[in-house]
Amino acid sequence: SQQGEEDPQALSIQEGENATMNCSYKTSINNLQWYRQNSGRGLVHLILIRSNEREKHSGRLRVTLDTSKKSSSLLITASRAADTASYFCATDANGNQFYFGTGTSLTVIP
Amino acid sequence: EPEVTQTPSHQVTQMGQEVILRCVPISNHLYFYWYRQILGQKVEFLVSFYNNEISEKSEIFDDQFSVERPDGSNFTLKIRSTKLEDSAMYFCASRQRAAGFLGKETQYFGPGTRLLVL
Repeated sequence: SQQGEEDPQALSIQEGENATMNCSYKTSINNLQWYRQNSGRGLVHLILIRSNEREKHSGRLRVTLDTSKKSSSLLITASRAADTASYFCATDANGNQFYFGTGTSLTVIP
Repeated sequence: EPEVTQTPSHQVTQMGQEVILRCVPISNHLYFYWYRQILGQKVEFLVSFYNNEISEKSEIFDDQFSVERPDGSNFTLKIRSTKLEDSAMYFCASRQRAAGFLGKETQYFGPGTRLLVL
C-alpha cells in the first residue's frame, strides 16, 4: 500500500501562528495533493505538487515535496480560526486512484 | 466555477435495500471516481471509471457495488443490498485528464452523500 500518513494527528495553535503538517508515503508518485475537510463536509482541493517539483506556494500555503524521503509538508502561515479543519494528503501513482492519509486535525484558537 | 454535485446529501435506508447515489461530474472531465469515508476514518478509494468502463477498483468494491454512467452527465454508484457497515460518507470525484497533463490532473470532489444503513 502507498497510503499517506500525516503527522501530527492533531495540532492546536493560536491564531496568527504557522501550522506545519507532514505527510509520508511509500511508493513512487506522479503527484501529491493536499485537501481540507471541514467537519462532516466535503474535500476541498488546496494544492497539487508534481513529482518533479520541490516547493509550491498558493496564498498562505506552502507545500514541499521530497521524493527521496517520500514526504511532503504543508505550511499554513498566519493561521486563522477559519483554517480549523482536517487536512489530508493524497498521492496519485497511476492516475486511477488516490491514496489518502489519515489526516491532521488542525484547531486554530482565536 | 464548475463543481461536482451529488444527490442526495443524506440517505437513510434499511439493511438489505438497494441504494443509488448520484453524481454529476464537471462537464469536460473524463475520469470519475467514488470514495467512501466511514465516520472518523480516512477516505478510501472504491472505484475509478474512464471511457465507460471501470479502470480500477479496490477490495471494498465487491459484487454488491456497481457504477454506471447512464447518460452524458450522471455517474452513479449502486449498492445492491446494503449492510450496516456500508454506513459512510460517499464522495464522487472527477478529473479532466490523467496525471501528467499539467493543470488538468487535479481531482475535484463533490460534497458527499451521507448514507446511514439501519
